Amino acid sequence: QSVLTQPPSASGTPGQRVTISCSGSSSNIGRNTVNWYQQLPGTAPKLLIYSNNQRPSGVPDRFSGSKSGTSASLAISGLQSEDEADYYCAPWDDSLNGYVFGTGTKVTVL
Amino acid sequence: QVQLVQSGAEVKKPGASVRVSCKASGYSITSSDINWVRQATGQGLEWMGWLNPNSGNTGYAQKFQGRVTMTRNTSINTAYMELSSLRSDDTAVYYCARGRGTTVTYYYMDVWGKGTTVTVSS
Repeated sequence: QSVLTQPPSASGTPGQRVTISCSGSSSNIGRNTVNWYQQLPGTAPKLLIYSNNQRPSGVPDRFSGSKSGTSASLAISGLQSEDEADYYCAPWDDSLNGYVFGTGTKVTVL
Repeated sequence: QVQLVQSGAEVKKPGASVRVSCKASGYSITSSDINWVRQATGQGLEWMGWLNPNSGNTGYAQKFQGRVTMTRNTSINTAYMELSSLRSDDTAVYYCARGRGTTVTYYYMDVWGKGTTVTVSS
């Protein structure tokens, strides 16, 4: 069982804004930066957001990240059909001395 | 371009070992960590550990301590992950991923291999 909790699912219609939460603790999100990964069906994960709110080159600015205390959020604005995927939050955990992934959230575009 | 190329699918019997390779292309493997992450069918991502290809230092998730070994051959720009005493619940896709960040505080994985399917079945 992961130490990071995400809602199992989220959905929206094209053009809507969807937000995914990630709840952790002082040993992970509370002390370290949060990264987000997108996994399209049948493919490898892809880095979407790093250091809480930084987008790698090529990631649309529709994706944004934030962090407050021991929680983090990923927002997708202007939802598109190609955004249908699983999304995972992931920071380092000082207590476990390792990287941890959230439980994952499946985003569906209605 | 920068990419990680993994070895092909494996089928193993319970109790056996498997070794998966991860060849870096477009950059020197000694310049960044290599992490290993696995995913069982329909399940989430699970971090297994990291390897510093420059020093050979490793760090393993507690769950895999004693069963996993991460090594490298810098002459061919390749990292390896060996998992022993395989069980049916080790059946999963295994990914290698390049680790970045000056310290663990800022750690993330920016380049991923396509994955290697390991099936454990009698």
